[in-house]
Amino acid sequence: GAGVSQTPSNKVTEKGKYVELRCDPISGHTALYWYRQSLGQGPEFLIYFQGTGAADDSGLPNDRFFAVRPEGSVSTLKIQRTERGDSAVYLCASSLTGTLYGEQYFGPGTRLTVT
Amino acid sequence: GNSVTQMEGPVTLSEEAFLTINCTYTATGYPSLFWYVQYPGEGLQLLLKATKADDKGSNKGFEATYRKETTSFHLEKGSVQVSDSAVYFCALKQLQGAQKLVFGQGTRLTINP
Repeated sequence: GAGVSQTPSNKVTEKGKYVELRCDPISGHTALYWYRQSLGQGPEFLIYFQGTGAADDSGLPNDRFFAVRPEGSVSTLKIQRTERGDSAVYLCASSLTGTLYGEQYFGPGTRLTVT
Repeated sequence: GNSVTQMEGPVTLSEEAFLTINCTYTATGYPSLFWYVQYPGEGLQLLLKATKADDKGSNKGFEATYRKETTSFHLEKGSVQVSDSAVYFCALKQLQGAQKLVFGQGTRLTINP
């Protein structure tokens, strides 16, 4: 079956611009996660959705970052007034449930470059 | 807070060599532990996991044992192949509260024929 998909695969934007990154989770997965992976580092948690609601947004670095999941499926990560430090690979993952034992399946990521 | 520390890379080995990638963690309580692998050009994939002390996770010839006394979860493989070349990430997830994974910085492994 289809895995987690993310679009676009690459995004280049100028400093100060607004960007949206999209994640399509595996069908039927209620939990969705966003992570950010800087070059040479492991992924860092940003936000976790259970259904339509953000159950944990403690990893969002500041108020320029926002994410939605209005119908409990597709999610969009929105970054306002982008900065060069936002350049990274943004990963989305989904799991069947949000429990401890729910395996997270990762998408291929969106590479964001802010010039 | 919770954290994971991995052996620094990159690691380069010859085919059929023995592999160990060290991983230690700091966490409250008893987290679940994971190894993820990222092959060139692909997304992160779960390689193996262990959910309680003394559990051994295994997959594709790789093994890791959850050692509570040393807070470690070292990855091992007896005979590596060129196809094992990838970046390996150790991670933990807490039993209570947030369902997020906390990752180490990753170890790049290259296997030469």
